[in-house]
Amino acid sequence: GQQVMQIPQYQHVQEGEDFTTYCNSSTTLSNIQWYKQRPGGHPVFLIQLVKSGEVKKQKRLTFQFGEAKKNSSLHITATQTTDVGTYFCAGRGTGGFKTIFGAGTRLFVKA
Amino acid sequence: SQTIHQWPATLVQPVGSPLSLECTVEGTSNPNLYWYRQAAGRGLQLLFYSVGIGQISSEVPQNLSASRPQDRQFILSSKKLLLSDSGFYLCAWGPRGETQYFGPGTRLLVL
Repeated sequence: GQQVMQIPQYQHVQEGEDFTTYCNSSTTLSNIQWYKQRPGGHPVFLIQLVKSGEVKKQKRLTFQFGEAKKNSSLHITATQTTDVGTYFCAGRGTGGFKTIFGAGTRLFVKA
Repeated sequence: SQTIHQWPATLVQPVGSPLSLECTVEGTSNPNLYWYRQAAGRGLQLLFYSVGIGQISSEVPQNLSASRPQDRQFILSSKKLLLSDSGFYLCAWGPRGETQYFGPGTRLLVL
């Protein structure tokens, strides 16, 4: 079945450093979503990418969907302590119904 | 606007006791509804999803069950809780195969 792999599992950065998490699917995706879960909180939707090669930005966050629609990345520029949490990608395969979540990347930011 | 409610926020139950967690959605009709479980520091495990009243799909065989008695109500139940049922239970709603919006979650501790 469809699998969504996410790396790294954990990332420790110094405040001000950049951060990137990568998401790879075993099958072609119709779309991909990114969520952020703060410690002790619930996942919150950040963005959805649909088009091949699509790039979207939200302030210091840059989201990219691969040309083959099988991978995606989230890049944070100049991390802040407010960026701490776990970032999940989630994708739906073409012709599929279910959205499959990656295992998440937990970001730690040291001030 | 749409809102999703879950209760209780926290629950401590003895092994062997029953469980009933409720999730309701406001501001939308005929949503897809989902139950997830998240172990501490881990990813999201899809337990059940529903595309309509009385329609439940189970993803993982276990001692939990789900019901959807009304369009915007989703209930997670167990007749006898196990220690391994402890975790963070998240309800989510969303359109078909697309973005999911999560409730605040219920933290269940089985002792």
